[in-house]
Amino acid sequence: GQQLNQSPQSMFIQEGEDVSMNCTSSSIFNTWLWYKQDPGEGPVLLIALYKAGELTSNGRLTAQFGITRKDSFLNISASIPSDVGIYFCAGAPNAGNNRKLIWGLGTSLAVNP
Amino acid sequence: DAGVIQSPRHEVTEMGQEVTLRCKPISGHNSLFWYRQTMMRGLELLIYFNNNVPIDDSGMPEDRFSAKMPNASFSTLKIQPSEPRDSAVYFCASSLFETGELFFGEGSRLTVL
Repeated sequence: GQQLNQSPQSMFIQEGEDVSMNCTSSSIFNTWLWYKQDPGEGPVLLIALYKAGELTSNGRLTAQFGITRKDSFLNISASIPSDVGIYFCAGAPNAGNNRKLIWGLGTSLAVNP
Repeated sequence: DAGVIQSPRHEVTEMGQEVTLRCKPISGHNSLFWYRQTMMRGLELLIYFNNNVPIDDSGMPEDRFSAKMPNASFSTLKIQPSEPRDSAVYFCASSLFETGELFFGEGSRLTVL
């Protein structure tokens, strides 16, 4: 099925560094969601975006809904060891059913203390 | 508040056996989703329900897979007969229809030998 292009696939950083990851699509989305998955757990919603250009923060996390409605990014500032996990983007296509999200393949983040 | 509850957390079975996975959504949520997660294909939507009614089962891989939602607080995903390629983590998620923000359970890890 259709998937988002999420990059990078993996990152290995030092504690305290900032992190940036993004998702792009060939089609317009009307919703972008960012999730984090810890090992052995289900994905947990971090940030939801509903308007083009919207910039939303959740603690050290900031996400933006791209102006073109075809991309979104997630930034993590001052990373800490508990940020380790897999981050997924998900989008609801403009022309499709809002219930059928399209998912990226994830960005695996490792943080070296 | 209790989140989405799935059982069993782990299941190991032999090829040909019937497998039943269970899910209790968050109280008040009116949409329920079954996903499958593998390393190769990431998160795949199998089926979703709105108000206990199956809306889209186009992601169900074969007739061996079936899902039911007899009431607002319970759903099952059944695989009969199971095959080794069904080995994956199966997630149940629920949401309010209006927001589309999914809340995932902890998943059921299925291994078919």
